[in-house]
Amino acid sequence: KQEVTQIPAALSVPEGENLVLNCSFTDSAIYNLQWFRQDPGKGLTSLLLIQSSQREQTSGRLNASLDKSSGRSTLYIAASQPGDSATYLCAVTGNFNKFYFGSGTKLNVKP
Amino acid sequence: DGGITQSPKYLFRKEGQNVTLSCEQNLNHDAMYWYRQDPGQGLRLIYYSQIVNDFQKGDIAEGYSVSREKKESFPLTVTSAQKNPTAFYLCASTWGAGRTEQYFGPGTRLTVT
Repeated sequence: KQEVTQIPAALSVPEGENLVLNCSFTDSAIYNLQWFRQDPGKGLTSLLLIQSSQREQTSGRLNASLDKSSGRSTLYIAASQPGDSATYLCAVTGNFNKFYFGSGTKLNVKP
Repeated sequence: DGGITQSPKYLFRKEGQNVTLSCEQNLNHDAMYWYRQDPGQGLRLIYYSQIVNDFQKGDIAEGYSVSREKKESFPLTVTSAQKNPTAFYLCASTWGAGRTEQYFGPGTRLTVT
């Protein structure tokens, strides 16, 4: 069964710092990997989707990479802002169109 | 605007009562999903449906039931058999085929006392 792990569970950084969030998965047979943002008490907002054939995707200050063979993905956030404070989750898509989620990294960006 | 709606946002029930959570999407997506989220944890799949009139159990289906009579609707019933129903419930949808983004609704917080 696919297992998805996110490290660290929580991260606190000063405003302006560049940071990296990690996501690892045990089964490399995935269709794609998706990064989400979740604000307290809200649903998930999709940030980036990387297909299994791709190595990275970029959107604004966000860059996500995928190394399928090693079962790893990173989300790079440049020049962090207090508005980036949220929980970030990664999910991989496996067989039968099922999604497997990590437990998330709670990010706090201090002004 | 296209999207997924879930209602109500907050729901309170007494133990022993069944309760139905609504999920509607106007994205014309084929596949729909129900997840449960507990504090500090990731999402766990309850049920999913890839086409109308068909659905499959996820990892934690016991104590839950669903129906998919229309493409745009996928209601979830939390039955009295669910031992610990208090949680945040999220509905999602995709085009299907496993290669597209998953979109989420705003969630329903269910509290059972």
